Amino acid sequence: GNSVTQMEGPVTLSEEAFLTINCTYTATGYPSLFWYVQYPGEGLQLLLKATKADDKGSNKGFEATYRKETTSFHLEKGSVQVSDSAVYFCALSDLGGFKTIFGAGTRLFVKA
Amino acid sequence: EPEVTQTPSHQVTQMGQEVILRCVPISNHLYFYWYRQILGQKVEFLVSFYNNEISEKSEIFDDQFSVERPDGSNFTLKIRSTKLEDSAMYFCASSNPGQGIPNYGYTFGSGTRLTVV
Repeated sequence: GNSVTQMEGPVTLSEEAFLTINCTYTATGYPSLFWYVQYPGEGLQLLLKATKADDKGSNKGFEATYRKETTSFHLEKGSVQVSDSAVYFCALSDLGGFKTIFGAGTRLFVKA
Repeated sequence: EPEVTQTPSHQVTQMGQEVILRCVPISNHLYFYWYRQILGQKVEFLVSFYNNEISEKSEIFDDQFSVERPDGSNFTLKIRSTKLEDSAMYFCASSNPGQGIPNYGYTFGSGTRLTVV
């Protein structure tokens, strides 16, 4: 079945450091891929998405590229801020879209 | 920006009692979902709902669970006889303004924290 694997956290960075959170997936067909973010005490928010191979999703300085050859969708940001501290979830949905599967989440701490 | 609204934000119930968690999805969305998250850990799929019927459900969504869209705006999750292990954050989500492919990403509510004692 479909699955998502993301790097374990927590990840602790200093402000303005470069961020990479790795995500790989297993799926049949051509899934849509997502990154969601969860700030403390809140629900999940869609951060970015890509619906086909080689698409790059981007939002708020975050980027991720849909790599079918490596089945990956790594999240990157060039310069993190304290306000980026949150839990980041990689997720996929098959073309039918009736179910989205989430990775285990990666907690990011950014120090001033 | 349109929101998914969930009530209550926190519910405490005794084991064996029935609970109903309520959600108001975004008005022009057609697909509705329930997820749960135990202790801030993995987000687990429960059920998806489209065209007034369940589209897909997980193994967690057993006979103790049911969903309903009673009036065209609310979307409810009922747990018939709660167990201690049902304690979790329950998130409602909706998607799709009718673009053909149903999933361009979900909008989640803020969640209901259910505590079973």
